[in-house]
Amino acid sequence: GNSVTQMEGPVTLSEEAFLTINCTYTATGYPSLFWYVQYPGEGLQLLLKATKADDKGSNKGFEATYRKETTSFHLEKGSVQVSDSAVYFCAPYSGGSNYKLTFGKGTLLTVNP
Amino acid sequence: DTEVTQTPKHLVMGMTNKKSLKCEQHMGHRAMYWYKQKAKKPPELMFVYSYEKLSINESVPSRFSPECPNSSLLNLHLHALQPEDSALYLCASSQSPQNYNSPLHFGNGTRLTVT
Repeated sequence: GNSVTQMEGPVTLSEEAFLTINCTYTATGYPSLFWYVQYPGEGLQLLLKATKADDKGSNKGFEATYRKETTSFHLEKGSVQVSDSAVYFCAPYSGGSNYKLTFGKGTLLTVNP
Repeated sequence: DTEVTQTPKHLVMGMTNKKSLKCEQHMGHRAMYWYKQKAKKPPELMFVYSYEKLSINESVPSRFSPECPNSSLLNLHLHALQPEDSALYLCASSQSPQNYNSPLHFGNGTRLTVT
């Protein structure tokens, strides 16, 4: 099955700081890679995805590049806002007979004004 | 707004009660999922339905009983729960489980407290 090693938080930043959350994975086959975000009191929302090597997913100023050679999918944002405070989950997904979305442990991000 | 709707948002039940959680989606998705999330932990998969048939049961205790009446609805029937079953229960859907390019869409969950 798949597994994920995700940078553990909590991460505390000031507004407009640069954000990196590291994620590496092991997976069967050739997975798609997702980042999900969970705001306080809510379910998970898809933040971005990449489905093949060297693809860059992006949304709301966040980016992540599918690095097959290093099996990594690090999340970055150039200038965080208070509204970005949430828990972020990295998740590879292989589909097929192993169609289980495997989540990392989650990284709590707090952005202070 | 989420496209997966879960009801109720909050539920408090005693250990002898029977209750049901409901989930609905109208995106034409053919895979539906139940996840359980404890505080400060990632979601854990409980069940997967593929084309209205149960395809994955992650060794969930029988006091949790899923049901998929049609392609848009998913229920989770609860009976004789324990306090440690208190958690956020998340429903999700995707186009099909075999399509690994298709992300899961989650509802906002039902926060369950067992007293």
